Amino acid sequence: IAGITQAPTSQILAAGRRMTLRCTQDMRHNAMYWYRQDLGLGLRLIHYSNTAGTTGKGEVPDGYSVSRANTDDFPLTLASAVPSQTSVYFCASSLSAAYAGELFFGEGSRLTVL
Amino acid sequence: GENVEQHPSTLSVQEGDSAVIKCTYSDSASNYFPWYKQELGKRPQLIIDIRSNVGEKKDQRIAVTLNKTAKHFSLHITETQPEDSAVYFCAASADDKIIFGKGTRLHILP
Repeated sequence: IAGITQAPTSQILAAGRRMTLRCTQDMRHNAMYWYRQDLGLGLRLIHYSNTAGTTGKGEVPDGYSVSRANTDDFPLTLASAVPSQTSVYFCASSLSAAYAGELFFGEGSRLTVL
Repeated sequence: GENVEQHPSTLSVQEGDSAVIKCTYSDSASNYFPWYKQELGKRPQLIIDIRSNVGEKKDQRIAVTLNKTAKHFSLHITETQPEDSAVYFCAASADDKIIFGKGTRLHILP
């Protein structure tokens, strides 16, 4: 693994199903983020984590949950998917949240909820 | 919370001309302002950033200016080239969050 990796790359999901998007980084970055990207709406922050064991809500957290059990992994879970959650999801990491710096993005996960 | 407004949403410029994208932010505590470029089908990548203790920063053909009093910052691209065609996002950082504008699609016309 080099950098930040997301899985799956693409997924079609029936409404009401549970889905977890995986994100792993090997850069030992403290801060990690989940964004969703929708046409015309830019990148909207869903949840973030400053360090292992802590998480926070972003701009659009409803319907999503995250956990940060260790430094490397930051999974995003949709407990009961709805069509409005159809989007491209980007995971990102940075060295430190306290001293903001460059975000390194994963390749994105395209999720379609039918 | 922080709110970032970005204009214009679409910008077309002739190759060789300059392009300017403007952003405003709402939280006076924001202290870090990055710009990201996203090519079609790819992930966003940082092209330049500026911190609140600096008014201007330049890197070859791109520059960013910051006006803390007015709470706005701008991206300037000079001598535009075809490879500058992309979507550009501004962002502002406060309270451990990095909030993005809605993006500007830049078209470089031949």
